[in-house]
Amino acid sequence: QVQLVESGGGVVQPGGSLRLSCAASGFTFSSNGMHWVRQAPGKGLEWVTFIRYDGSNEYYADSVKGRFTISRDNSKNTLFLQMNSLRPEDTAVYYCARDVSWNYFEFWGQGTLVTVSS
Amino acid sequence: QSALTQPPSVSGSPGQSVTISCTGTSSDVGGFNRVSWYQQPPGTAPKLIIYEVSNRPSGVPDRFSGSKSGNTASLTISGLQAEDEADYYCSSYRGGTTWVFGGGTKLTVL
Repeated sequence: QVQLVESGGGVVQPGGSLRLSCAASGFTFSSNGMHWVRQAPGKGLEWVTFIRYDGSNEYYADSVKGRFTISRDNSKNTLFLQMNSLRPEDTAVYYCARDVSWNYFEFWGQGTLVTVSS
Repeated sequence: QSALTQPPSVSGSPGQSVTISCTGTSSDVGGFNRVSWYQQPPGTAPKLIIYEVSNRPSGVPDRFSGSKSGNTASLTISGLQAEDEADYYCSSYRGGTTWVFGGGTKLTVL
């Protein structure tokens, strides 16, 4: 069965950096685009970024453009999110999700919590 | 990147039907048949329940149905059950290779 397992969350000071990982299994990882979606405490879902199946293109929400970088290693079935210049408003649970046809988020991981605080 | 508009909360008694609306613009909901809905019980990850406006993934009960008219999509849950109590989110492809979510609707089963 499809499994997505995020890791790498934690507490970081404003201006700091963090790298999240999402380990995929149960499907051919290199065949699907992947997203990161976040959810601030007590708030709704916010789309963050998308990467094509082969890593050839990336797309970002305006709120993270220039600070976050999505990447993937298809040989290791792993998705990454490099987060730099972190701000308190980046505090959220970060989910990775499998894309279908640039359309919807078919499967989700359990999420990893990122807290930006001094 | 404004979110899609959903009512903050809806409620219904067991066995009743409820409908959750999701209003966007011609640049997202109205412009594409790429509206999806997600169910999120407290403390869990979101789960896909409707895709491409009205399609249900395998395993999702047919009590859940979706539709769209113009810039507004709707999720209807019929025959409400206690286990349906959760937050519900709509989402739409927006073009320019971006996606947008609604603000979420809390469903209470009375």
